[in-house]
Amino acid sequence: NAGVTQTPKFQVLKTGQSMTLQCAQDMNHEYMSWYRQDPGMGLRLIHYSVGAGITDQGEVPNGYNVSRSTTEDFPLRLLSAAPSQTSVYFCASSLGLVNYYNEQFFGPGTRLTVL
Amino acid sequence: AQSVSQHNHHVILSEAASLELGCNYSYGGTVNLFWYVQYPGQHLQLLLKYFSGDPLVKGIKGFEAEFIKSKFSFNLRKPSVQWSDTAEYFCAVKDAGNMLTFGGGTRLMVKP
Repeated sequence: NAGVTQTPKFQVLKTGQSMTLQCAQDMNHEYMSWYRQDPGMGLRLIHYSVGAGITDQGEVPNGYNVSRSTTEDFPLRLLSAAPSQTSVYFCASSLGLVNYYNEQFFGPGTRLTVL
Repeated sequence: AQSVSQHNHHVILSEAASLELGCNYSYGGTVNLFWYVQYPGQHLQLLLKYFSGDPLVKGIKGFEAEFIKSKFSFNLRKPSVQWSDTAEYFCAVKDAGNMLTFGGGTRLMVKP
């Protein structure tokens, strides 16, 4: 198993550009999430999905869109990048509701800089 | 909304020193508690978790944490740190929903 994979690892954008951060998992996990990590603020949930075709907003959804057309993939779209979106983005997945037996697994992250 | 506080942002220790990292949360109901570790350049890994039962939980690499419900705390401890423990440590809390709320993280540097 590759686990949770993310591409690209690094990206530099200009203000106003759009892009898609890719996330895929090969563990047949139903639940997938996107977080952003900023210094001193920990990880904050952007969007999440409990299964194909179902998405919902997290704590900081503004400026981001998601879709979940397959169980494996959960891309995150920045429609018009802003410097405030400079961050490290982590994708995570779990088999189901996080519980004692269902651990949340994290991808390696994408470091995004918006100039 | 749930909030998680990690009061120590940066900790510097010498090898063999004892470690205690604080974590406090705000939710008054049933919670599940986690500590994650992020080694330099790597993704988050689960260190330990508490769901129920014995409030003293043991994790990987000699770490343990104690859940004190009356203090809304879940502090991480290790009796003797090693240089390889240099990393950032995150406390996280899950309440009735499936969302994890993370603390701001504590950067630990262990000097050899």
